[in-house]
Amino acid sequence: EAGVAQSPRYKIIEKRQSVAFWCNPISGHATLYWYQQILGQGPKLLIQFQNNGVVDDSQLPKDRFSAERLKGVDSTLKIQPAKLEDSAVYLCASSLDMVFSGNTIYFGEGSWLTVV
Amino acid sequence: AQKITQTQPGMFVQEKEAVTLDCTYDTSDQSYGLFWYKQPSSGEMIFLIYQGSYDEQNATEGRYSLNFQKARKSANLVISASQLGDSAMYFCAMREGPAGQAGTALIFGKGTTLSVSS
Repeated sequence: EAGVAQSPRYKIIEKRQSVAFWCNPISGHATLYWYQQILGQGPKLLIQFQNNGVVDDSQLPKDRFSAERLKGVDSTLKIQPAKLEDSAVYLCASSLDMVFSGNTIYFGEGSWLTVV
Repeated sequence: AQKITQTQPGMFVQEKEAVTLDCTYDTSDQSYGLFWYKQPSSGEMIFLIYQGSYDEQNATEGRYSLNFQKARKSANLVISASQLGDSAMYFCAMREGPAGQAGTALIFGKGTTLSVSS
């Protein structure tokens, strides 16, 4: 079974530029999450989708971040314009649905963003 | 207030020794789940162990065990017989809400860096 795919793995951009990250969850997984992990900290939820609907985006900085999951499968997270403090790893995760326990939420390898 | 607190920024242990990584949590829900993940320098999040709030027995998975003290709201990870490959960041996380209904996303602590030396 293929895991959660993310691209690009690494990106360096200048501040005020834009960047987009792509995530393809595990086939059949209805729930998709984007987390932001700043160096030395734990992941923080940015947005959670159930199919193509947003369940929780309360911590998404909507003035610069946007995310979509138009067909309920893959998702794109965009940052525009980027700030220095956006330097982080962006982790995508998926689960079969919102009910999970144990080893039933799967993480991608992350997209590492450096803003200079 | 933080939902998940990991008070140990770094821990150092020698090979073959046991180590305990602390985690306390805060929730008013009666039903919740507690998770531990390992994150090596490569960045992937590796699931280690899970404890449901109604599970009566402490969870164990190989060398990992979870010391669950519900009244104290603590869920410490115990790694027995440490190995060099255990060196990594360790995160405690919580899912609030009952397992049988729609829950919330995982909430993570700030993590503990474990260094295992020979």
